[in-house]
Amino acid sequence: SAVISQKPSRDICQRGTSLTIQCQVDSQVTMMFWYRQQPGQSLTLIATANQGSEATYESGFVIDKFPISRPNLTFSTLTVSNMSPEDSSIYLCSVDRGGSGNIQYFGAGTRLSVL
Amino acid sequence: ELKVEQNPLFLSMQEGKNYTIYCNYSTTSDRLYWYRQDPGKSLESLFVLLSNGAVKQEGRLMASLDTKARLSTLHITAAVHDLSATYFCAVDIYPDKLIFGTGTRLQVFP
Repeated sequence: SAVISQKPSRDICQRGTSLTIQCQVDSQVTMMFWYRQQPGQSLTLIATANQGSEATYESGFVIDKFPISRPNLTFSTLTVSNMSPEDSSIYLCSVDRGGSGNIQYFGAGTRLSVL
Repeated sequence: ELKVEQNPLFLSMQEGKNYTIYCNYSTTSDRLYWYRQDPGKSLESLFVLLSNGAVKQEGRLMASLDTKARLSTLHITAAVHDLSATYFCAVDIYPDKLIFGTGTRLQVFP
């Protein structure tokens, strides 16, 4: 498994502001992932973040709205920019530690409410 | 469009009963995961199924994979209250890109 720390655990933000979410892993990993889980819904992959390269975004997600940094092999940030109430969701980071099955392990998530 | 569908979406079952959750997916994949999510919590990995015919069991849960039918099942035996949670399947469509199913919310009552 992996120990993944996400900060903040929750936040309430005003429309038009930005929030940066941090994800720290207890060991070096090549790939980190960011997901969004809208209320009562499943998880949707936002982007994949590899150290030393730009993040790869999924359809429907753009860098201007969700800029991602990956400065080293244990840390990543996701910023939710110019927020609107539609951005209210849980944002989760995950990592793939490699090995058999390439299981992704998830952080506890950041519960974001936008007023 | 890739779809990963689970049924049922909601399941209320009595303790001691058996039931099966189904996960159907619309593209080729030979790697499938099951996760559990408790209310307000993150996801916990339950099983990874890596090949056609794979079967994994842990306690009262057993998962299987039929890649030809593009179907995975999660079977619950003699349910207990502690199994109440939301269960997600996720399909790996190329290395490390997971597409999650719709989720099945399970409630076990006495």
